[in-house]
Amino acid sequence: AQSVTQLGSHVSVSEGALVLLRCNYSSSVPPYLFWYVQYPNQGLQLLLKYTSAATLVKGINGFEAEFKKSETSFHLTKPSAHMSDAAEYFCAVSGGGSNYKLTFGKGTLLTVNP
Amino acid sequence: DTAVSQTPKYLVTQMGNDKSIKCEQNLGHDTMYWYKQDSKKFLKIMFSYNNKELIINETVPNRFSPKSPDKAHLNLHINSLELGDSAVYFCASSQEGGRSYEQYFGPGTRLTVT
Repeated sequence: AQSVTQLGSHVSVSEGALVLLRCNYSSSVPPYLFWYVQYPNQGLQLLLKYTSAATLVKGINGFEAEFKKSETSFHLTKPSAHMSDAAEYFCAVSGGGSNYKLTFGKGTLLTVNP
Repeated sequence: DTAVSQTPKYLVTQMGNDKSIKCEQNLGHDTMYWYKQDSKKFLKIMFSYNNKELIINETVPNRFSPKSPDKAHLNLHINSLELGDSAVYFCASSQEGGRSYEQYFGPGTRLTVT
């Protein structure tokens, strides 16, 4: 079975500050991991994904995430926050075997203060 | 062109009614999904179809019935609507049903049952 824990339901940063959103996973198979962003009243958009290639994954809008097997983590970072980054962020893990459903974390709301 | 589209965007109805939500994708994907996002933003998969065949059916009340007339369409029909069905329903699609393939989400349908 797979599960995802996102530490911190709400993260608040100042514009220009480092963004760090935490994600820990549990998976019975080597995990495939995803970060999605949801802007208000919109669907989910893929930021980046880890599929067992490079452990440091770069995504859109300056975000990146590092897969750490020893820590079962896949934290999302961005060096400098912009006002436009304010949104809900979801970490997800893909199922094992023939089960390719995504199991999502509960989300982290990022607010960016001017 | 919209990759994954859903209609309607908003749906307000009374308890006991039957309603349908339609989803279409123009990405040429083989697999489509329905997710439910509750008021706390928690996302959970409901169903998945691969080439018109049901492959994931989570523990969803049998009042919910997905139908896939072709691989570009996945509709969701809900009978005897209840207050607890109020949520945002997202359709998604992926290139194949593999674990590494990201899912592309529609804009969502906000269902309100009164």
